[in-house]
Amino acid sequence: DQQVKQNSPSLSVQEGRISILNCDYTNSMFDYFLWYKKYPAEGPTFLISISSIKDKNEDGRFTVFLNKSAKHLSLHIVPSQPGDSAVYFCAASSPTGGSQGNLIFGKGTKLSVKP
Amino acid sequence: ETGVTQSPTHLIKTRGQQVTLRCSSQSGHNTVSWYQQALGQGPQFIFQYYREEENGRGNFPPRFSGLQFPNYSSELNVNALELDDSALYLCASSPAGGALLSPLHFGNGTRLTVT
Repeated sequence: DQQVKQNSPSLSVQEGRISILNCDYTNSMFDYFLWYKKYPAEGPTFLISISSIKDKNEDGRFTVFLNKSAKHLSLHIVPSQPGDSAVYFCAASSPTGGSQGNLIFGKGTKLSVKP
Repeated sequence: ETGVTQSPTHLIKTRGQQVTLRCSSQSGHNTVSWYQQALGQGPQFIFQYYREEENGRGNFPPRFSGLQFPNYSSELNVNALELDDSALYLCASSPAGGALLSPLHFGNGTRLTVT
């Protein structure tokens, strides 16, 4: 049973427009959420994170929103650039999940930004 | 600053064989985690090592084992390989404190194919 779900396998966006990637989770004990970006033949690269005590975190073009009551988070990229084309993974961790390296990942969403 | 390096990049093994994958952690990082990413899936936590001891384990059988060395590098060993072990194996390092204080830094992975 998947605890972190990314229901959109792919997303296509025009350059300059907003990209919105969604993520849902089922475990209310999750208290920290991260987004990773992965290019082909490379490992995942950390993008942005948010603690459960916040509902928004912003870093340049990237903003993550957290709705705890809905167990939903989203990543907004504005404006989208062709270099943003990659697979985006949502991940979560909990204080009861044992070691802090134990992240639960979604299956990923492949973002394509067209020029 | 040297990032996480993994070797080999690709490996082909036969069912029933044993394999050893290697990882050098990022400079200054003393915690190493291993993840398995099957095709079309997100990374799945295998285990984590801190101060040369296993510090958390995911839902993987005992034939998946590991080591961490005094220089914080690590090995992942898989015995009695099965076809389903074919995947990308990712190593990630972090400073003590793990995901809550510093996101995991991933290597580019080892692509294992079991035939």
